[in-house]
Amino acid sequence: AQSVTQLGSHVSVSEGALVLLRCNYSSSVPPYLFWYVQYPNQGLQLLLKYTSAATLVKGINGFEAEFKKSETSFHLTKPSAHMSDAAEYFCAVSPLMDSSYKLIFGSGTRLLVRP
Amino acid sequence: DTGVSQDPRHKITKRGQNVTFRCDPISEHNRLYWYRQTLGQGPEFLTYFQNEAQLEKSRLLSDRFSAERPKGSFSTLEIQRTEQGDSAMYLCASSPSMTVSEDYGYTFGSGTRLTVV
Repeated sequence: AQSVTQLGSHVSVSEGALVLLRCNYSSSVPPYLFWYVQYPNQGLQLLLKYTSAATLVKGINGFEAEFKKSETSFHLTKPSAHMSDAAEYFCAVSPLMDSSYKLIFGSGTRLLVRP
Repeated sequence: DTGVSQDPRHKITKRGQNVTFRCDPISEHNRLYWYRQTLGQGPEFLTYFQNEAQLEKSRLLSDRFSAERPKGSFSTLEIQRTEQGDSAMYLCASSPSMTVSEDYGYTFGSGTRLTVV
């Protein structure tokens, strides 16, 4: 079964510093990959997605992620953190041959941004 | 259209009571999904509908849970005889039918937070 591992349940950075949130998936066939952000007491907002086109994917709010098949990774980065980036971030996969297109989520990484 | 709406936003109930949540998807979306998110975890798939047909149910969906989507519009999720372990955020999402990868996209609602006391 597909699974997603997010290393680090909490990541703390200073405002203006690089943000790096890690995600690895388990699959012999690269699935569709996603990053979502969740603010307190809210639903999930899509940041970006990889669907077998370009391996470097640009998303909203200055985030981007690079799909690396050899490392089965899809890490999320942002060059300069802003206070408003503080939230919970979820990596998710959707198995390529699953007609339900359901998402399998990692356990999340809470990003803290220090002033 | 203002997105996916869920009602209520919060629900506190006593153990053993029945609860029902409602989800109104984006009107042109024919797929509707329910997920459950417990504290400190990512959302977990519960079930999904294509139009009015419920096409898949997770093993997480015990026989106390039932979901419906009459006429392929709004959906309801009912939990009977609630247990403390049912306390979670219940998220609804909708999407168009996806036949090409560029169309792939969910819109999530803000969720219903259930607390069973």
